[in-house]
Amino acid sequence: TQLLEQSPQFLSIQEGENLTVYCNSSSVFSSLQWYRQEPGEGPVLLVTVVTGGEVKKLKRLTFQFGDARKDSSLHITAAQPGDTGLYLCAGGGYNFNKFYFGSGTKLNVKP
Amino acid sequence: ETGVTQSPTHLIKTRGQQVTLRCSSQSGHNTVSWYQQALGQGPQFIFQYYREEENGRGNFPPRFSGLQFPNYSSELNVNALELDDSALYLCASSLDGPGEEETQYFGPGTRLLVL
Repeated sequence: TQLLEQSPQFLSIQEGENLTVYCNSSSVFSSLQWYRQEPGEGPVLLVTVVTGGEVKKLKRLTFQFGDARKDSSLHITAAQPGDTGLYLCAGGGYNFNKFYFGSGTKLNVKP
Repeated sequence: ETGVTQSPTHLIKTRGQQVTLRCSSQSGHNTVSWYQQALGQGPQFIFQYYREEENGRGNFPPRFSGLQFPNYSSELNVNALELDDSALYLCASSLDGPGEEETQYFGPGTRLLVL
C-alpha cells in the first residue's frame, strides 16, 4: 500500500494542452516535494511546498499544497514535449529519517 | 549533473547471490539515502545513513544492509538475492537529511537484474 497515491498513472496529451496531476494521502505531511525523473536518470527536485494552501509557480508549472496538508497537485500549462517524464510526489516522515514517494505519473507530450 | 555517482550502472546476478552497490555522494553531504525503484513504480525508501550510522529504515528485510564511509562514499549490500530484488537502485545525498530546507541529489542508479 502506497502512503502517497498519485493520479492519473499515465497521461498522453498533445503539445499545448493543459494537465493536472494529483497526489493524495490519508496522512498529514509537514511538506511535500515534487520530482521529475527521466529515463536512465534519478529524480530531480522541482519544488517543495510547506504551508497548507500554498501555491508555488515555476514557469508553466503550478504546485498547490492542500489546506489539510494531505494532498498536492501539479498543473502544467501549455505542455511541451520537453515536459515528458515521470512526475513523483514525495514526503518525509517525522524528522525526515524516512521518505515516501508516490507511485508516479508518467506523462507523454506528443508534438 | 548532480555530483552523485553510482557504480556499476548495470548488474546481472542469480538468485541466492550477494551484491554490493556503490555510491559517491557530493562532498560535504552527511546524509545518504538508498531507494529501490521497480519498473513503473515510484522509489521505495530502503534506509538512510547520517554520519556513518543508520538513521532510518523502510520496510525492507535485514538482508538489505548498508555502510557509509567518511569519504562520502557508501554501499548497499543485498544478501540472498531474490527475483523480486530486480530493480533500479538509487542513492541520494543531502547536506543534513531530506527535508523542507534540504534537497536530495540523486545518482543515476544501478539497474540490477536477478535471474
